Amino acid sequence: GDSVTQMEGPVTLSEEACLTINCTYTATGYPSLFWYVQYPGEGLQLLLKATKADDKGSNKGFEATYRKETTSFHLEKGSVQVSDSAVYFCALKPPGNNDMRFGAGTRLTVKP
Amino acid sequence: DAGVIQSPRHEVTEMGQEVTLRCKPISGHNSLFWYRQTMMRGLELLIYFNNNVPIDDSGMPEDRFSAKMPNASFSTLKIQPSEPRDSAVYFCASSPQGQLNQPQHFGDGTRLSIL
Repeated sequence: GDSVTQMEGPVTLSEEACLTINCTYTATGYPSLFWYVQYPGEGLQLLLKATKADDKGSNKGFEATYRKETTSFHLEKGSVQVSDSAVYFCALKPPGNNDMRFGAGTRLTVKP
Repeated sequence: DAGVIQSPRHEVTEMGQEVTLRCKPISGHNSLFWYRQTMMRGLELLIYFNNNVPIDDSGMPEDRFSAKMPNASFSTLKIQPSEPRDSAVYFCASSPQGQLNQPQHFGDGTRLSIL
C-alpha cells in the first residue's frame, strides 16, 4: 500500500547549521505530499505541501521539492534556529483517498 | 477562525473507568479523523468519518474503543473499560472532503493517563 519512509532520528544540530530530513514514498499514481511539524505539547501543524511533480513547497525557511523520479520529498533548511526544535512528519495523501499516511517522525534538536 | 477543538486537554483516571474524549472539527470540514500517539508506536489512525459515517475503523485496537459522530460538528471517542496501556495522546483532525489536495488540521490533543 501507499506509504512514506522518513529518516530516523533523533537529529541534533547546532544553530545555523543546514538541515536535511529525508523522506521517500511509495504510491500508485500521484499523491499529494506534506510535511508537518509538532512542537512539544502541541498537535501537528502543516508546514508545507506539494501536490504535483516538481512542485516546491516552502514555509518559514523550510523547503521540499516533489521528486517523482526519486519518489522523494526531502525537507531542507539552510540555517536552523533553536526554535525549530520539534518533531517533523512526512505524509502523503493517495489520489482518490481522503486519509493520510504519516511517517514515523524525526525529532530535531537545535542547540545554541 | 477556530481550529479543531478537543476536550479535555488532560485526563487522569483509574483503570476500569470509562473515558470520553471530545472533538469539534473545523466548520465546513466533513471528514474527521481520530489518532493515537505513543512513543512506542508513533502516530496511529484509529478511525475516520466522512459526512458523519465511519469509513475505516480498522485501526481501532479493541472492542473497548468506540467512536461516534452524531452530527457534523461533534465526535466522541470512548474507552470502556480503560486500561493503563491506553495511556497516550489522542488527536482529532479534520479536513474538507472532496478536496483531495487539502491537508488535515489537527487539534492540540488529549493527554490521557490511566493509572
